[in-house]
Amino acid sequence: NAGVTQTPKFQVLKTGQSMTLQCAQDMNHNSMYWYRQDPGMGLRLIYYSASEGTTDKGEVPNGYNVSRLNKREFSLRLESAAPSQTSVYFCASRDRAYEQYFGPGTRLTVT
Amino acid sequence: GNSVTQMEGPVTLSEEAFLTINCTYTATGYPSLFWYVQYPGEGLQLLLKATKADDKGSNKGFEATYRKETTSFHLEKGSVQVSDSAVYFCALERPTGANSKLTFGKGITLSVRP
Repeated sequence: NAGVTQTPKFQVLKTGQSMTLQCAQDMNHNSMYWYRQDPGMGLRLIYYSASEGTTDKGEVPNGYNVSRLNKREFSLRLESAAPSQTSVYFCASRDRAYEQYFGPGTRLTVT
Repeated sequence: GNSVTQMEGPVTLSEEAFLTINCTYTATGYPSLFWYVQYPGEGLQLLLKATKADDKGSNKGFEATYRKETTSFHLEKGSVQVSDSAVYFCALERPTGANSKLTFGKGITLSVRP
């Protein structure tokens, strides 16, 4: 039981490049989330998916897109990376008791 | 809207000291309250939770009591260890179903020295 997995662990992009962050969970959870973590800002919700086939914007969705590919997988795409998107990105899934399970994170640097 | 306010950090303590980390919240209705912990280089993991007023959550020697009258959920531990060094996040969620979301505080870094 791997829990929530994320790839890659680290990534460096140049401004304007695109990339997709992958997330998968093996706990059969319906809800999944993408957050970014910045110093002094806590965690901010980018997008979430309450169930397979649905996605909704969170607090800071601009510059990002998501895909809920199936119940297990929820990907985050940066179409044209900007230095302001340098951050640590966490994926999470939630069980019926409202506990969220987090992945290990992706550390992204945009130069 | 919902919000969580944590005391400013960082906090540095000696091993075996008493720990209190303050957390207050603003929310409508009856939220569930959580403390999450993030060890260096890792994702967040749930430390404890409370789902209704006067509930006490506890885990690994940490405790927090849901106080509706003061809208608080302060985290305490009687004797900290070096291994408790981490970032601690207070959070709330109104359990409104599939679309409910966590609201996090900004987090506080705890360093425990031997």
